Amino acid sequence: QKEVEQDPGPLSVPEGAIVSLNCTYSNSAFQYFMWYRQYSRKGPELLMYTYSSGNKEDGRFTAQVDKSSKYISLFIRDSQPSDSATYLCAMSGQGAQKLVFGQGTRLTINP
Amino acid sequence: DGGITQSPKYLFRKEGQNVTLSCEQNLNHDAMYWYRQDPGQGLRLIYYSQIVNDFQKGDIAEGYSVSREKKESFPLTVTSAQKNPTAFYLCASREDSFSGNTIYFGEGSWLTVV
Repeated sequence: QKEVEQDPGPLSVPEGAIVSLNCTYSNSAFQYFMWYRQYSRKGPELLMYTYSSGNKEDGRFTAQVDKSSKYISLFIRDSQPSDSATYLCAMSGQGAQKLVFGQGTRLTINP
Repeated sequence: DGGITQSPKYLFRKEGQNVTLSCEQNLNHDAMYWYRQDPGQGLRLIYYSQIVNDFQKGDIAEGYSVSREKKESFPLTVTSAQKNPTAFYLCASREDSFSGNTIYFGEGSWLTVV
């Protein structure tokens, strides 16, 4: 079993829809949770960063962490074609030298 | 501007040749990483370094080598021993490993073996 599981998709939704992207994990030591967005042929860029449980909102993006269920989510409201990309979740524990990444979910927003 | 610079962006190599990918950062970050990404796949860690003159193998180090002689530089050499070197290579850096700081990526280097 992988430490972090993420459905690779592909996921295709119409413009304006609310998108929900998710990751599950097995290591209860994880405390830091990140979402990266990667456009085709580009390096991943940090989208959201959350410590421990709770919600964090930034514009149209909301990150949620439920440590009791070992489940994290990224919501995109009013999705735009420019949101079409691969979204990677990542996480680490306190003092961990490495991040653990999910496989990435490929998302397409159709105009 | 602060950031991570990878070069070259695209590189073609003949079988049996070694090639070195450059990674430079001016973020004053202690830790640096090299990842490999194959089409439709996630990131796989090749090597990482927490401080100058020290580095550790990641999950797929065979056929690769690195050096960390300067804080800002972490070059990756893809040797002829690497069986399937054609891939997208990503360099990343992190302020430190102790406070959960996140990592930041360069724009990547595409290596094609011909």
